[in-house]
Amino acid sequence: GNSVTQMEGPVTLSEEAFLTINCTYTATGYPSLFWYVQYPGEGLQLLLKATKADDKGSNKGFEATYRKETTSFHLEKGSVQVSDSAVYFCALRTNAGKSTFGDGTTLTVKP
Amino acid sequence: GAGVSQTPSNKVTEKGKYVELRCDPISGHTALYWYRQSLGQGPEFLIYFQGTGAADDSGLPNDRFFAVRPEGSVSTLKIQRTERGDSAVYLCASSPGGSSTADTQYFGPGTRLTVL
Repeated sequence: GNSVTQMEGPVTLSEEAFLTINCTYTATGYPSLFWYVQYPGEGLQLLLKATKADDKGSNKGFEATYRKETTSFHLEKGSVQVSDSAVYFCALRTNAGKSTFGDGTTLTVKP
Repeated sequence: GAGVSQTPSNKVTEKGKYVELRCDPISGHTALYWYRQSLGQGPEFLIYFQGTGAADDSGLPNDRFFAVRPEGSVSTLKIQRTERGDSAVYLCASSPGGSSTADTQYFGPGTRLTVL
């Protein structure tokens, strides 16, 4: 079956530090890949996505590249802000229905 | 515009009771999804509707769980004979078409269910 493995947290960084959150996956077929973010007290929202190999998704300074050869979709940001503190979820879909999520990585950015 | 809404936001019930959780998707979205999220874990798929019909209910854990979407809009997740292990946040999501793996799913704020 499909599965997503995320870097375990929590991750604590200082403002303006470089962020990487690792995500690897196992899937049958050709998945679309997603990063979702959940800010404190809010619902899950899509951060970025990529639908085929070598695609790069980007949003709000975050980027992730769909690497089929390493089955990875690592999330990066060059300079984090306090407002980026949240829980980040990596997810995949191989059909039009369900998404399979990782367990989430909590990021705390300190001023 | 209005997003996905879920009611109630919190529900506390006793073991063995019946509960209903409601989801109002974004207007015009044909696809609707239910997920369950336990503390410290990612959302776990329960069921997916395309229109009025359940296209995939493979995630429902047992026959105590049932969901309906009779008019292709609002959906209700029903849990019979609740157990303490059912305690979790139940998330609803909707998407415009549901026919593509790239279709964006829009999530509601969730219903926190606590079974005492």
